[in-house]
Amino acid sequence: DGGITQSPKYLFRKEGQNVTLSCEQNLNHDAMYWYRQDPGQGLRLIYYSQIVNDFQKGDIAEGYSVSREKKESFPLTVTSAQKNPTAFYLCASSIDVNQDEQYFGPGTRLTVT
Amino acid sequence: AQSVAQPEDQVNVAEGNPLTVKCTYSVSGNPYLFWYVQYPNRGLQFLLKYITGDNLVKGSYGFEAEFNKSQTSFHLKKPSALVSDSALYFCAVRDLDTGRRALTFGSGTRLQVQP
Repeated sequence: DGGITQSPKYLFRKEGQNVTLSCEQNLNHDAMYWYRQDPGQGLRLIYYSQIVNDFQKGDIAEGYSVSREKKESFPLTVTSAQKNPTAFYLCASSIDVNQDEQYFGPGTRLTVT
Repeated sequence: AQSVAQPEDQVNVAEGNPLTVKCTYSVSGNPYLFWYVQYPNRGLQFLLKYITGDNLVKGSYGFEAEFNKSQTSFHLKKPSALVSDSALYFCAVRDLDTGRRALTFGSGTRLQVQP
């Protein structure tokens, strides 16, 4: 099966802890993206990566960090500096950054208490 | 800057009736426009896109969208709604003439199709 996998589906953490969300794709896509979805606010871009070892901040990067050491993987770390981390996180990929038909993973719902 | 607005939080339509989900956009250059659909607790699925050419774009599951440059709109339409079309719909835009290499999504419109 080709596609994007995100794990785990549900994640619970205590306030003050860093947490890393996994995103893996076997589509051989160059570009990968992380979005945050909150009710009534649609999707907001956190970070994106055009190619391995490169990434750019999106609209709401504060309190988050990413790495892109392999083409297939784009993990997102939600740090303790993120003030409102509870949300639904979506990872996506596209053939390259100019091909905006993005393929989305199933998402991870993070709850921080 | 690029932005997109979906003025309706929810659209209700009876099965078999035509549906329209509205989207307006703002870019300084030429727009690249998309519609995506999201079913509960799932990621988004691509429906259709417009970059250039015919203003009426046909996509998956019988959906189509009409690009209107003068009104800066890209409304999603379907001639006959199905109960299974009930989902959350997102419009997205990218300005082809700026350096930003990522989409901006609208806030989403929930479509409810009643049997």
